[in-house]
Amino acid sequence: DIQMTQSPSSLSASVGDRVTITCRASQGINNWLAWYQQKPEKAPKSLIYDASSLHSGVPSRFSGSGSGTDFTLTISSLQPEDFATYYCQQYYDYPITFGQGTRLEIK
Amino acid sequence: EVQLVESGGGLVQPGGSLRLSCGTSGFIFSDHYMDWVRQAPGKGLEWVGRSRDKAHSYTTVYAASVQGRFTVSRDDSKNSLYLQMNSLKTEDTAVYYCGRRRQGSGRHAVDYWGQGTVFTVSS
Repeated sequence: DIQMTQSPSSLSASVGDRVTITCRASQGINNWLAWYQQKPEKAPKSLIYDASSLHSGVPSRFSGSGSGTDFTLTISSLQPEDFATYYCQQYYDYPITFGQGTRLEIK
Repeated sequence: EVQLVESGGGLVQPGGSLRLSCGTSGFIFSDHYMDWVRQAPGKGLEWVGRSRDKAHSYTTVYAASVQGRFTVSRDDSKNSLYLQMNSLKTEDTAVYYCGRRRQGSGRHAVDYWGQGTVFTVSS
């Protein structure tokens, strides 16, 4: 199975900060990577697919980059509604696997 | 508007069975692969299984943790996805989400999710 490792596991930041979350795959996955946002007691929400393509309706302050084994999710200027848990997911091979999540908290 | 609504959650004893449903609207269901993903209490997301579309003969793929116990099926005439769960274990307790994979051949991510249904295995 392809292991997805996110860092950091948790992060404290302030409104207006620029934040970067990293996801590393245990083997190359080309650009077959997605990012999801999840708020407490809510369903995941799709943010980015194919490593860098923004899902419809997602604000442009979110961006993704990377290919192969190393990927990043960047939020250029944190807004109050961005405080949530973020997951990366590889869909290069079965079983599809998620990272363990990065919890983004208000400083 | 794309909508996915899960139902069928509840409380089941270990060793029991249950079927979850995911009703959909707002898109051509038969054109999409569909996934089940679960989240145990306080844990991260875990992919459970997938139903491919009609063009790919509705074939299914499963996570090792549920292989042989869970069955993903679909009824395109009802725009619905199902998850039949047998030989249930306490570790199957989770919120179960269905997700629609982006359309097209090749590799694609899930783009829309249901709100989830809660399912508990306990004696």
